[in-house]
Amino acid sequence: DAGVIQSPRHEVTEMGQEVTLRCKPISGHDYLFWYRQTMMRGLELLIYFNNNVPIDDSGMPEDRFSAKMPNASFSTLKIQPSEPRDSAVYFCASLKNYGYTFGSGTRLTVV
Amino acid sequence: ELKVEQNPLFLSMQEGKNYTIYCNYSTTSDRLYWYRQDPGKSLESLFVLLSNGAVKQEGRLMASLDTKARLSTLHITAAVHDLSATYFCAVDMSYPGNQFYFGTGTSLTVIP
Repeated sequence: DAGVIQSPRHEVTEMGQEVTLRCKPISGHDYLFWYRQTMMRGLELLIYFNNNVPIDDSGMPEDRFSAKMPNASFSTLKIQPSEPRDSAVYFCASLKNYGYTFGSGTRLTVV
Repeated sequence: ELKVEQNPLFLSMQEGKNYTIYCNYSTTSDRLYWYRQDPGKSLESLFVLLSNGAVKQEGRLMASLDTKARLSTLHITAAVHDLSATYFCAVDMSYPGNQFYFGTGTSLTVIP
């Protein structure tokens, strides 16, 4: 089992550009979560899916953020346009029964 | 809204000493998780506690859960440098969905 796979590992982009983060959950896991981690705010839940359906997106900070899960093996988190305050580490996690399995994260820097 | 509080936020301890990290949460839950995060790395699952009175041990770490007190503890025995990391507790609120609420984290530094 390869675990939860995120790409890219690092992303540096200029303010105003579109950024797409990708996640492949563990096969058979029916929940997928996107988190953002910063020093100031800790771990924040942005959105989560159950069986590819978005259940709660109340943590998405602004309309600039959107997430999709077109199938059970792939999800994207998109920021358009990006801003410097979006700089953070973005984690994807999947869940089947008990306990999340986290991906390695994407470190996003918006300059 | 569920609140999950950890203390201390920062902990510096000498090798060989014992210490406890506390995780308090504000509403009923029977499931609590502990994670470890090394600097620049992802979160790694340490313990899954699924009922009142649950106790799990792995090496120098032992976690327990008291659902009546809404308290979980992570006890460190005879600390070693390799335990230096940030430790998070997370409470599982299964309704309306499998959403975890994470504590603020405890940054542990073990000094020789």
